[in-house]
Amino acid sequence: AQKVTQAQTEISVVEKEDVTLDCVYETRDTTYYLFWYKQPPSGELVFLIRRNSFDEQNEISGRYSWNFQKSTSSFNFTITASQVVDSAVYFCALRAQGSARQLTFGSGTQLTVLP
Amino acid sequence: DAGITQSPRHKVTETGTPVTLRCHQTENHRYMYWYRQDPGHGLRLIHYSYGVKDTDKGEVSDGYSVSRSKTEDFLLTLESATSSQTSVYFCAISASGTGLNTEAFFGQGTRLTVV
Repeated sequence: AQKVTQAQTEISVVEKEDVTLDCVYETRDTTYYLFWYKQPPSGELVFLIRRNSFDEQNEISGRYSWNFQKSTSSFNFTITASQVVDSAVYFCALRAQGSARQLTFGSGTQLTVLP
Repeated sequence: DAGITQSPRHKVTETGTPVTLRCHQTENHRYMYWYRQDPGHGLRLIHYSYGVKDTDKGEVSDGYSVSRSKTEDFLLTLESATSSQTSVYFCAISASGTGLNTEAFFGQGTRLTVV
């Protein structure tokens, strides 16, 4: 069985602060994929990043960065210099290799960035 | 944006009535999924399809059935709607292969209310 835990239900920060969203996962598979999705107030789900289990290199994309650590089964997401437009629900998800690519989602973290 | 269309976008129905939600894709992707989103649970998989007429159950399949008679269409049917099926339903698609284009892309969601 697979499980994704996002322990932070809600986070509130003031604009320009940095914020880290935590994601901890459980899986018995040796090969798997981790994802982050953003759900803005409009409701759609926007793909942000995919990470393979065999690639622990951290990634940076503009103000976004991701820290993948297999030793602690974590895939954390940091937003640097947050902006009001970053306000959304963020979901971490896990997919095992060989499956029909279905995703196991965490319960999501509601991020509110205050002006 | 991935070509995924869900219909209807909003529906109110009475307890005990059958309801069918439609997902239509123009990407010719092999895999299609139905998820439901509920507060505190993130997204949970209802059913998925790995080809025409090939479907399987997900985590929360009770009370739901699906059909896929064409690559582009994936239907979700609530046989006899109950109030516990009030939710936001998302369709997703995913391509075959191992490249970066194998992320799941989501439709805009259908808000279903069972009264």
